[in-house]
Amino acid sequence: EDKVVQSPLSLVVHEGDTVTLNCSYEVTNFRSLLWYKQEKKAPTFLFMLTSSGIEKKSGRLSSILDKKELFSILNITATQTGDSAVYLCAPPGGFKTIFGAGTRLFVKA
Amino acid sequence: DSGVTQTPKHLITATGQRVTLRCSPRSGDLSVYWYQQSLDQGLQFLIQYYNGEERAKGNILERFSAQQFPDLHSELNLSSLELGDSALYFCASSVSSGGAKYNEQFFGPGTRLTVL
Repeated sequence: EDKVVQSPLSLVVHEGDTVTLNCSYEVTNFRSLLWYKQEKKAPTFLFMLTSSGIEKKSGRLSSILDKKELFSILNITATQTGDSAVYLCAPPGGFKTIFGAGTRLFVKA
Repeated sequence: DSGVTQTPKHLITATGQRVTLRCSPRSGDLSVYWYQQSLDQGLQFLIQYYNGEERAKGNILERFSAQQFPDLHSELNLSSLELGDSALYFCASSVSSGGAKYNEQFFGPGTRLTVL
């Protein structure tokens, strides 16, 4: 059965800290891994990763995929209070999309 | 704004009733996905349609059904509602259905369903 595990489940940091969020997965017919940020509304798309070792960057956020070890990490540097949210990963297997439970990040001012 | 629209934004109804949630995908997207998000369950995949055809089913109850119309909008029908069906229901869309050319999904704002 397809499985996605995110860790940690929650995290509290101070502004300016760097955080690393983890996503490990077991899915059949792996195609890509998606990262989303969810505040008090719909998830917003961050990254799609399809190849191992190629880092995707967007400002202070970056992500990398390891297809051999079946995990991905999302890094956020110089965190800001606006980064407070739940971060979700989803490795769509075939046509189904299984989301992890998410990491709840709280950034203190 | 993702370009995906959902109506209504909020819905309050009683147990045993039936409701219909509507979703219009982004222009050009052929796939529509439905998700349920409740406090204790996270984001749960329900069902996916691609160009009018059902492509994948997740943990969708028999009381729930969906369809995608020729204009690509989709409806999720929930019947014999129970208290536990109270949740946020999201629709997402993507260009392709999956396979070798998977594309990211863009989420609508959601419909908050409250069953009293």
